[in-house]
Amino acid sequence: EAGVAQSPRYKIIEKRQSVAFWCNPISGHATLYWYQQILGQGPKLLIQFQNNGVVDDSQLPKDRFSAERLKGVDSTLKIQPAKLEDSAVYLCASSLRRGQGEKLFFGSGTQLSVL
Amino acid sequence: QKEVEQDPGPLSVPEGAIVSLNCTYSNSAFQYFMWYRQYSRKGPELLMYTYSSGNKEDGRFTAQVDKSSKYISLFIRDSQPSDSATYLCAMSAPYSGAGSYQLTFGKGTKLSVIP
Repeated sequence: EAGVAQSPRYKIIEKRQSVAFWCNPISGHATLYWYQQILGQGPKLLIQFQNNGVVDDSQLPKDRFSAERLKGVDSTLKIQPAKLEDSAVYLCASSLRRGQGEKLFFGSGTQLSVL
Repeated sequence: QKEVEQDPGPLSVPEGAIVSLNCTYSNSAFQYFMWYRQYSRKGPELLMYTYSSGNKEDGRFTAQVDKSSKYISLFIRDSQPSDSATYLCAMSAPYSGAGSYQLTFGKGTKLSVIP
């Protein structure tokens, strides 16, 4: 079974530039998550999709971050403009269904450095 | 006080030792308790999860939950160099609307098992 695919693996940009990350979840997984993991911290949920609808984006800085999941499969996360504090690993995860006991499968993440 | 507290370590043990990893929490609404393992430059992978107080065993791993003390533990017996990773505790609770839940991660404990 193929895992969650993410690209790019690494990205270096200057502050105020824009950047986009791509995620392809495990086939058949209805729920998709974007997490931000700052060095030395646990992952923090940014946004959760159920199929192509947003379930929870309460912790997404909407003035600069946006995400979409077209056709309920692939997803992109965009930051525009980037700030220094956005330097982190951006993890995409998927699960078969939405629910407290559901197992999340994570991709390897995109490491973003904002200079 | 943060909702989930986890000692970041680092923790270094000799091969074959018993490892004890712990988290405390303050939110009584947490219902599911999980342990994720994260290797360097990889996404977290679910190791174990429990719903109720008590112990759950899987091979060399034992997860323990004490809801009265708001304390969870992960024990690793006969530790191996391949167990060297960061271990993240995670907990979920219902959140706002019906059917929604929020997963909160600890900071993670970095473990090194020395051959």
